[in-house]
Amino acid sequence: GAVVSQHPSWVICKSGTSVKIECRSLDFQATTMFWYRQFPKQSLMLMATSNEGSKATYEQGVEKDKFLINHASLTLSTLTVTSAHPEDSSFYICSASVGGSPRNQPQHFGDGTRLSIL
Amino acid sequence: AQTVTQSQPEMSVQEAETVTLSCTYDTSENNYYLFWYKQPPSRQMILVIRQEAYKQQNATENRFSVNFQKAAKSFSLKISDSQLGDTAMYFCAFMKHGNAGNMLTFGGGTRLMVKP
Repeated sequence: GAVVSQHPSWVICKSGTSVKIECRSLDFQATTMFWYRQFPKQSLMLMATSNEGSKATYEQGVEKDKFLINHASLTLSTLTVTSAHPEDSSFYICSASVGGSPRNQPQHFGDGTRLSIL
Repeated sequence: AQTVTQSQPEMSVQEAETVTLSCTYDTSENNYYLFWYKQPPSRQMILVIRQEAYKQQNATENRFSVNFQKAAKSFSLKISDSQLGDTAMYFCAFMKHGNAGNMLTFGGGTRLMVKP
């Protein structure tokens, strides 16, 4: 089945540093990738949608300059949390899709990244 | 815009019993898909079951089945013979047909605890 690799799975860093999270589709070409944020015991909140080679579309309330998304190829999207602060601590999940009607699954999810800012 | 509502934040069930999780949605679309996802403590997102709105027959996957009521915009998940491994967060999700990129709208989730 389709596999999405997300790295790192857990990162702890000091306040003020920037953190990059990678999302790779390993065995298919993803036309669209999604980035979600999830707080404990809550649902997935869509942050942005990115299509290969174009700028990401951010959801209302998500700071573009804080959460930089790059989707340079059909198999790789990155989320960079710039100048991270403790309030950015959360669980971040990426997913990838090939678009069109879902024959099996609409989106293939990565395993998530737990980000802790000290 | 679509909205998905899960009115039960938490539920519990005894092992081997049956439990039903509720989901309602609001949309003006006629063609769409509905999904139930499971997120165990490992936090992986696992697709449990899917339903096409144009199909009247309720989807079934082993111990998991849905009750899809299109007119009522209701999409409940029934788990039969509950197992300890069913303990997880469950999310109901909606997707428009023909949606470029397959964007999902998630409900708030229901935390299910299966007790031995």
